Amino acid sequence: SQTIHQWPATLVQPVGSPLSLECTVEGTSNPNLYWYRQAAGRGLQLLFYSVGIGQISSEVPQNLSASRPQDRQFILSSKKLLLSDSGFYLCAWLPLAGGYETQYFGPGTRLLVL
Amino acid sequence: AQSVTQLGSHVSVSEGALVLLRCNYSSSVPPYLFWYVQYPNQGLQLLLKYTTGATLVKGINGFEAEFKKSETSFHLTKPSAHMSDAAEYFCAVSGSGANSKLTFGKGITLSVRP
Repeated sequence: SQTIHQWPATLVQPVGSPLSLECTVEGTSNPNLYWYRQAAGRGLQLLFYSVGIGQISSEVPQNLSASRPQDRQFILSSKKLLLSDSGFYLCAWLPLAGGYETQYFGPGTRLLVL
Repeated sequence: AQSVTQLGSHVSVSEGALVLLRCNYSSSVPPYLFWYVQYPNQGLQLLLKYTTGATLVKGINGFEAEFKKSETSFHLTKPSAHMSDAAEYFCAVSGSGANSKLTFGKGITLSVRP
């Protein structure tokens, strides 16, 4: 069966520090991968998506970047965190089989920037 | 272009009462529609989805939703609320195809009173 992992689960970082959040998917090949940010009362905002290794599309200009070094690994990074980067970060994957329609979400990473 | 409107941010019902969470969408292509549920500090779990075919779809935990094209709506219902239904609920829309993006509403928090 397919599973999606995110780590760390919780992170507290000072302003100006770097960031690396990791997402990995098991039991599938060549999925589309997504990073979302959830801020209180604002729903989910799509940050990045990837349709393959090394292929990253950015949805909104921001202080963050993403990379996909391996087929089932998706990394969210920042060189210098801002207070506004605080939030709940969710990784999702879209299986490229069947109807192509349903995204499945990981457990999320809670990031607090102080 | 697509968008989702979930009016209000909070709904409170008594245990055993009808649950009705409203969702209206806008889409320039035939929509795929989703309801996800999020329990505190967890990722999103798919409740149900509409892609094609029958407009009344049944999901997990006794929830169902009806796609009404003329009203551009996809309201979520459950005949009898349970305490365990307390969570945040997100409606989302996408188009068909592997590279179609998922657009979320802002979410509604459901509280269930004993």
